[in-house]
Amino acid sequence: GAGVSQSPRYKVAKRGQDVALRCDPISGHVSLFWYQQALGQGPEFLTYFQNEAQLDKSGLPSDRFFAERPEGSVSTLKIQRTQQEDSAVYLCASSLALGPSYEQYFGPGTRLTVT
Amino acid sequence: AQRVTQPEKLLSVFKGAPVELKCNYSYSGSPELFWYVQYSRQRLQLLLRHISRESIKGFTADLNKGETSFHLKKPFAQEEDSAMYYCALRDSGGSNYKLTFGKGTLLTVNP
Repeated sequence: GAGVSQSPRYKVAKRGQDVALRCDPISGHVSLFWYQQALGQGPEFLTYFQNEAQLDKSGLPSDRFFAERPEGSVSTLKIQRTQQEDSAVYLCASSLALGPSYEQYFGPGTRLTVT
Repeated sequence: AQRVTQPEKLLSVFKGAPVELKCNYSYSGSPELFWYVQYSRQRLQLLLRHISRESIKGFTADLNKGETSFHLKKPFAQEEDSAMYYCALRDSGGSNYKLTFGKGTLLTVNP
């Protein structure tokens, strides 16, 4: 079956531009996560949704970052007034539910480059 | 705060040699430990988790709470094992669902 998909796969933005990154989770997965992976680093947690509810946004680095999942399926991560330090791969992951039995399945990521 | 340390950024071995990728963690609660792997041009995927106590692709990892370690081992490395490996931690209580990753170790298995 189809896995987690993300679009676009690559995005180049000029400093100050707004960007929107899309995540399509596996059908039926209620939990959705966003991670940021800077070059040479491991993924770092940004935010988490359970269906349409954003239960934790403690990892968002600034108020320029905003995520939504209005119908409990597709999610969008928006970055306003992009800065060079926002350059990273943004990973989306989904899981069927919470708990130790449930694996997080990752998408291919969106590589954002801010020039 | 929870932290995962992978001391080796790069690890190179020859085919057939044993391999051990080190992972140490810092967490005051009851952790759940994972190893994720990313092959070239592929997405991040789960390799194994400590609660399963299983061997995947010949890899095993044992959680050592005394040493706060979760090292990944394979007795005979294969060229297809070449990949980026990430150790990750999560609170087993389920209240903290977020994964905390180490910086990763790039394993190269030479022919």
